Amino acid sequence: RKEVEQDPGPFNVPEGATVAFNCTYSNSASQSFFWYRQDCRKEPKLLMSVYSSGNEDGRFTAQLNRASQYISLLIRDSKLSDSATYLCVVTPTGGFKTIFGAGTRLFVKA
Amino acid sequence: DARVTQTPRHKVTEMGQEVTMRCQPILGHNTVFWYRQTMMQGLELLAYFRNRAPLDDSGMPKDRFSAEMPDATLATLKIQPSEPRDSAVYFCASGTDKFTDTQYFGPGTRLTVL
Repeated sequence: RKEVEQDPGPFNVPEGATVAFNCTYSNSASQSFFWYRQDCRKEPKLLMSVYSSGNEDGRFTAQLNRASQYISLLIRDSKLSDSATYLCVVTPTGGFKTIFGAGTRLFVKA
Repeated sequence: DARVTQTPRHKVTEMGQEVTMRCQPILGHNTVFWYRQTMMQGLELLAYFRNRAPLDDSGMPKDRFSAEMPDATLATLKIQPSEPRDSAVYFCASGTDKFTDTQYFGPGTRLTVL
């Protein structure tokens, strides 16, 4: 079993749709959680950190469920520019050994 | 706007040749990470440094790969000898020593070994 698992997709959604991604992690001692975005042939960039209390940034909402060991990303009112691969990232307690999920591809269509 | 820089951006070489990739982390960042990304394996952590000291290089093939930080402004990743299976995009990222902080990625070096 991979340490961080994501549905690879692709998710094909129309503009304006709401789409949600989940990511599961195996190490219960994981400390830090992030969602990164990667555009085709570009480097990954931080989308948002994920806090235990959940957090929202505009159209994006991230949540953490420690009991079930998953994090989620919700995108509301999808834009064409949201088309990208979304990477789930987990860091263990007290460490830097960052583990990236394989990513979920999203295509938003007009 | 501070950025991580990597050179070269593209490298095509023949099997058996030495490849050196360079990274300049963001000034003030004291952690540096090397990743490899392929379609099959996704993004894999090869090695990382804190205050120029290697903390973990368990993700790296030891017989042919080596990573160093000669100084705080330069990190290098070497492959000798290179093999076709090393073809990938190699990313460098830097950050602070707070593991809750984000990492900032460079644009990557796209390596093709023929």
